[in-house]
Parts: sequence; C-alpha cells; structure tokens
Amino acid sequence: DQQVKQNSPSLSVQEGRISILNCDYTNSMFDYFLWYKKYPAEGPTFLISISSIKDKNEDGRFTVFLNKSAKHLSLHIVPSQPGDSAVYFCAASRRYAGNMLTFGGGTRLMVKP
Amino acid sequence: EPEVTQTPSHQVTQMGQEVILRCVPISNHLYFYWYRQILGQKVEFLVSFYNNEISEKSEIFDDQFSVERPDGSNFTLKIRSTKLEDSAMYFCASSPTGVGLQETQYFGPGTRLLVL
Repeated sequence: DQQVKQNSPSLSVQEGRISILNCDYTNSMFDYFLWYKKYPAEGPTFLISISSIKDKNEDGRFTVFLNKSAKHLSLHIVPSQPGDSAVYFCAASRRYAGNMLTFGGGTRLMVKP
Repeated sequence: EPEVTQTPSHQVTQMGQEVILRCVPISNHLYFYWYRQILGQKVEFLVSFYNNEISEKSEIFDDQFSVERPDGSNFTLKIRSTKLEDSAMYFCASSPTGVGLQETQYFGPGTRLLVL
C-alpha cells in the first residue's frame, strides 16, 4: 500500500538552515494531513496538521504546505535545530473512514551543529 | 499535558500464547486506535474504536485480534495466539471525538512485542 510516500529516507541539514521534508499521496479522498515526529523507542508526537481546504498552515518554526493538484505536501522547519533530529512521518486521513491514518515511510532528519 | 500511556513497555512471549496490551487514552477522548510498526516498515493502522464498538479495522486485524474497553479508562488489544510475524511495536492513540471530524490523534509510547 503506497498511498502515502516519503521518497527521501534521510535528510541532513546544517543548524540554522531550512529543512524541507516532502510527502506525496495518491488517494484524492484524503482530506486531512498531519506531520508527526518520532524519536527512537517513543511514540509519534504530533507536530502540525492541515486540512484540504487550506494550502498552508504555520506554527512557530513549522510550516506545512499542501498542493492538492500535485497531491504533495511539505514540512518546512526554519531555523533547524539539533533537537529537531528525528524521524518525521506524514500521515493522511479521510473523513468518515474511521479516522484511519495512513502513514508514509518516514524521513530521518539530521541537523548538524 | 495529558498523554496516552501504555503498558507494558516491552513484552516477550512464546508463539501461540495470548497477549494483552494495555492503554490508557487521554481522559476526555472518545475515539481510540491501535497501530503497529514492524521493524523497518511503516506505521500501520489496525483498528479504531468508538462508543464501545469497532469503527474501522484493517485487513491485518483478523480474528486473532480483539479490542476492549473494560472500564472507563483502559483500552486493550488482545492477540489470542501470537505468531512470529506479530513481533512489532504497538501504538495506542486517542482523539477527542473523531466522528466525521478532522482531528489529531495522540499516540502513546508503544509496547514492543517480541514473539519467540
């Protein structure tokens, strides 16, 4: 099941620079998208979400962009900090489908001091 | 800040044995979920639960699996006869209402299940 894909398994960024994590989806019925951050041996921690009626949502250093025509979303982290180093998952859901989240495979972000 | 808790953190069992994984969702949440992540693979949805019944389940959630809310705080996942391929990290999650709304699901720290 490849409905949600994160094509970059890893990303390395210098501290203070922008991190851009990408996610593609195939199911046009998805209407809610989320980004989670995960450290080893911990559960996913919610970061930010966006509804399909919007194309941008911002929360502090984190901004999510949604391009529905391209079925693509991205997470921008500015400025990146060493504590941001973790695995980032995008997830998607559609209304009235039991709120099932479909996850991408994750991107490991490494922010170098 | 309220959080989802899970016990045990680690469980080792023999193939064919029954296991029960326990979760305490965030107290005012009404919608509960189980997901799992096999090592090196994606996080996969297993089941969602609302108003004391299953709302949605994936094809992974076969007859060997069951969920229950035995009291006002706990939410359990039972695997009746474990198989080697059930070895995974199991995550519980909860959301406030979930019914037809776009809501964030909050995850617990997980239970690492190892079936020998």
